[in-house]
Order: sequence, then structure tokens, then C-alpha cells
Amino acid sequence: RKEVEQDPGPFNVPEGATVAFNCTYSNSASQSFFWYRQDCRKEPKLLMSVYSSGNEDGRFTAQLNRASQYISLLIRDSKLSDSATYLCVSNAGNNRKLIWGLGTSLAVNP
Amino acid sequence: EAQVTQNPRYLITVTGKKLTVTCSQNMNHEYMSWYRQDPGLGLRQIYYSMNVEVTDKGDVPEGYKVSRKEKRNFPLILESPSPNQTSLYFCASSLIQGAGNTREKLFFGSGTQLSVL
Repeated sequence: RKEVEQDPGPFNVPEGATVAFNCTYSNSASQSFFWYRQDCRKEPKLLMSVYSSGNEDGRFTAQLNRASQYISLLIRDSKLSDSATYLCVSNAGNNRKLIWGLGTSLAVNP
Repeated sequence: EAQVTQNPRYLITVTGKKLTVTCSQNMNHEYMSWYRQDPGLGLRQIYYSMNVEVTDKGDVPEGYKVSRKEKRNFPLILESPSPNQTSLYFCASSLIQGAGNTREKLFFGSGTQLSVL
């Protein structure tokens, strides 16, 4: 089992839709969680950090469920510009190494 | 402007010809790392450095070398490139790693697409 798993998609949604991604992690010692966004062949960029209490930034909401060991990303009122791959990352282990998921592809259609 | 500068953006070379990909950051970050990204395999860490003169192997270090003589620079060296090192490479830096907070935010360079023929 991969340490961080994501549904690769693609998720095809119309503009204005609400879409949610989940990401599961296997290491219960994981402390930090992040969502990065990556456009095709470009560098990943931090979208959100994920805190225990959850956090919201405009149309984006991230949640952490430690009991079930998953984090989620909710995008409301999807825009065409949200089309990208969303990478889930956790930080665990003695050396606090970052573990990357393979990403979930989102296509927002007009 | 705070950034990670990575060069070159594209590189085509032949098997066995030594090459260096440069990486420089201007944010006084302690942590720097190299990743390669391949379809279906995601981002895999090659080497990382927690500070000057401190480097460690990541998940796929074979065939690569790095050095961290100065805080700002972290070059990736391929002594004898092979076709299986054809990939998209990213350099990244962060203020610190292991802190469990936003200081772990990674800043990435714009990538180097390497083709080894």
C-alpha cells in the first residue's frame, strides 16, 4: 500500500460545480499535511496547509480526519483556472520526510 | 523577488556525458532538495540537504551527486547520464523541514526537462 494515496481521476466538472478530493495516508505518525497544485509540466505550488481544525481559503477548504487517516480538499464554484493536478503531501517518520501522492487531475469545463 | 532559480530549463544530452543542473535560492532557506517526476511515479526525492555541508540520499539517489558548499546553491550532478535518467527534474527549498508547520512550505524551481539519448 502506498503511503499516500489519491484517486488519479480525471475529475471532469462543469464551471461552478463543487468538487471534493480525498487523500489517504498510512502512517499514523504523520504530523503535517499539505495540498499542492501543479499545472501541466510546471512546478508544484503550495495551495493549502491542512490543520487539525481544518482551514478555509476562499473557495478552498481542507479537512483532516485523523481517525480515518485521510485529508480532503473541497473546491466550491469551480473556475476554468482550477484545472490542474492536485498533489497531497504528508510529513512523517523520524526524519520528517515529505511523502507525495501521485496527484488527482481536475478538468473544469465551460 | 523570492525564488528558486534552476537551469537549464531544457537539456538534451548523450549517454555518458557529464552534466550539472544548477539550483539557487535567494530566501536564506536551510533545506534544499532535488526531485524527479515521471508519469505514473509522481515526485521522487533524489537527494536533500538540511543545511550547508549536510546532504542525504532520498529515494532514488543512484546515478546522481549533489553538493551544498553554500547555503544558496545545491547543484545536481550526473556523472555519467543514462537514458533512464530522462525525466523532469525539480529543485525545491524551504525554510526548514520537520517543523510541522508552514515553515515547511516548499518553493520549487521551474523545472529542468532532461533527455538522455
